[in-house]
Amino acid sequence: QVQLVQSGAEVKKPGASVKVSCKASGYTFTDHYMHWVRQAPGQGLEWMGWINPNSGGTNYAQKFQGWVTMTRDTSINTVYLELSRLKSDDTALYYCARRYCDNTSCYGLAYWGQGTLVTVSS
Amino acid sequence: EVVMTQSPATLSVSPGERATLSCRASHSVSSYLAWYQQKPGLAPRLLIYGASTRATGVPARFSGSGSGTEFTLTISSLQSEDFAVYYCQQYNNWPPGFTFGPGTKVDLK
Repeated sequence: QVQLVQSGAEVKKPGASVKVSCKASGYTFTDHYMHWVRQAPGQGLEWMGWINPNSGGTNYAQKFQGWVTMTRDTSINTVYLELSRLKSDDTALYYCARRYCDNTSCYGLAYWGQGTLVTVSS
Repeated sequence: EVVMTQSPATLSVSPGERATLSCRASHSVSSYLAWYQQKPGLAPRLLIYGASTRATGVPARFSGSGSGTEFTLTISSLQSEDFAVYYCQQYNNWPPGFTFGPGTKVDLK
């Protein structure tokens, strides 16, 4: 079965960087893009972008371009989300997620990690 | 960028009643629309994709409809476990983006 297991909670100071990991299992890692979604406390879901684990290609939502980097390590089936120049309003739960795909196409985000809480505080 | 809106922000419903949630896209997303349910402390759960197809294991009381810019999620007879926040999301492949709506909270009347 598909499993996405994320790294543990982080506490960072404003201006710092953080790198969150998401280890995938139960499927062929390079066959499916991985998405990142964040959720600030008490707020809604915000799509951040995706990475193609096969090529390393990425697509970021406009808001996150220039300060978010998604990478992958195919040897350990893991994707990474790195956030730089952190601000207090980047405090959020960060999820990795994978789409459901059948033989025809891919659809919504059916598989989710447990989330990684990143707290930015001085 | 496609902007998603949802209404109402909060829907107060009694168990057994019908709940109708709306989602609107600023530009046509065809049928590339998903619905999610999120309960406190949990990751979102995919309910509906392709605007109207239930995901695996989703009860038949959940149904989705619409295409283009107007979509609806209907819960035919609300159960206690259905009180949650519901999000719509477009996943149109071009321009690439998977934007979420702001959510509708379904709570107990």
